Parts: sequence; structure tokens; C-alpha cells
Amino acid sequence: DIQMTQSPSTLSASVGDRVTITCRASQSISTWLAWYQQKPGRAPKLLIYQASGLETGVPSRFSGSGSGTEFTLTISSLQPDDFATYYCQQYYSFPLTFGGGTTVEIK
Amino acid sequence: EVQLVESGGDLVQPGGSLRLSCAASGFTFSSCSMAWVRQAPGKGLEWVSYISSGSDTIYYADSVKGRFTISRDNAKNSLYLQMNNLRDEDTALYYCARRPAYGDYVYFQHWGQGTLVTVSS
Repeated sequence: DIQMTQSPSTLSASVGDRVTITCRASQSISTWLAWYQQKPGRAPKLLIYQASGLETGVPSRFSGSGSGTEFTLTISSLQPDDFATYYCQQYYSFPLTFGGGTTVEIK
Repeated sequence: EVQLVESGGDLVQPGGSLRLSCAASGFTFSSCSMAWVRQAPGKGLEWVSYISSGSDTIYYADSVKGRFTISRDNAKNSLYLQMNNLRDEDTALYYCARRPAYGDYVYFQHWGQGTLVTVSS
């Protein structure tokens, strides 16, 4: 199984900050990676697919990059609506696996 | 508008059974592969099972293999998860999720609101 490791697990930041979350795969997954945002009591929301593709309707301050085993999700200027938990997911092979999540908190 | 509405979650004793349903609307259900993803209270996301549009390809997480069965009824636009021999660690919010309508990518573009399964004596 492919293990997905996110860091940090928690991140404290202020509105306007540039935020970067890292996701590492235990083996190469090319660019078969998605990122989701989840707010308390809500279902996850797709942000990024194929490592860098921006889902329709997602603000352009979100971007994804990487390939192989190392990936990043960047929020260029953190907004109040962005305080949430973020997950990466590999879809290179079954079983599909998610990272453990990164919670972005208000500093 | 794509809508996925889960139902069937309940409190059940260890060793018991439950059947979850997901009613789909707003898209051609028979053309889309579907999946179940769960989230234990305060924990992260865990993929549970996947079924292709024609039910010819099915996968399970090792944690549920042999106990859970995924199925679908394309005539009723519905996805199911039969859960047998339930364990405490199956306690979670179970989401129905849809992958993109095109391509071979198994990420999840649409999610339901979830249905809560609690396994406890």
C-alpha cells in the first residue's frame, strides 16, 4: 500500500500569510494526487486534482505542485474562509490512501 | 446539480449488520464509478470501497474486506454498502463519493453529507 504523509499536522497562520502544506508518498505516484479541504461538520471539498489542476470554482490563491513522491499545496494569501483541514489523496493505485491531514488554525 | 444523499446509519451492536444507501441525482448515475469513504470521529479520511459503473470492478480496503459488500442499482440511481460483523473501529461518518465523469481518475469530485454509523454495546 502507498503511504501518504502530510506535514505539518497543524499550522498556525494569519490572514494574508502564504501557507504551504507538504504531502509525501511512500513510492512514486507520478502526478496522481488530489487535495481536499474540509471544514468542521462538512464533507470534504475537492481543491486540486492531478497534482496541479485547479478544480472549477476554487479560488486561484490555491495551487498545487509536485510529482513523484513530493507534493505541495500552497495558499498564496490566506483568507478567513481558508481555516480548515486539508488532505491529500493518491489515486495511483488501490487501495486509495489519504494523508493524515493538516489543520490550518488562526494564529 | 449533483446530489448524493446517504442514509441508513444507526447505532448497532458489535457483530451486527447495517445497510447504507446513497441516492444519486443530477447526473447519469449509470455512467459513473462510485465509492464509500469514512471518517472516524475526530480522525482523518479512510477510503472503504469502490465500484465501477457496471459493477464489474470492485475494490475494498483490507480493513473491511470479507465483511462489507458494495453494490449499486443503476435503475434506482442508488449505491449501497452492506456492512456485516461490525466492529467498534467501524464507527464513523460514511460518505458516498463520485469520481469525475470522464477519465480513469479515482479522486472524488462530489461528496454526500454522510451518514453516521456507531458500533457500540
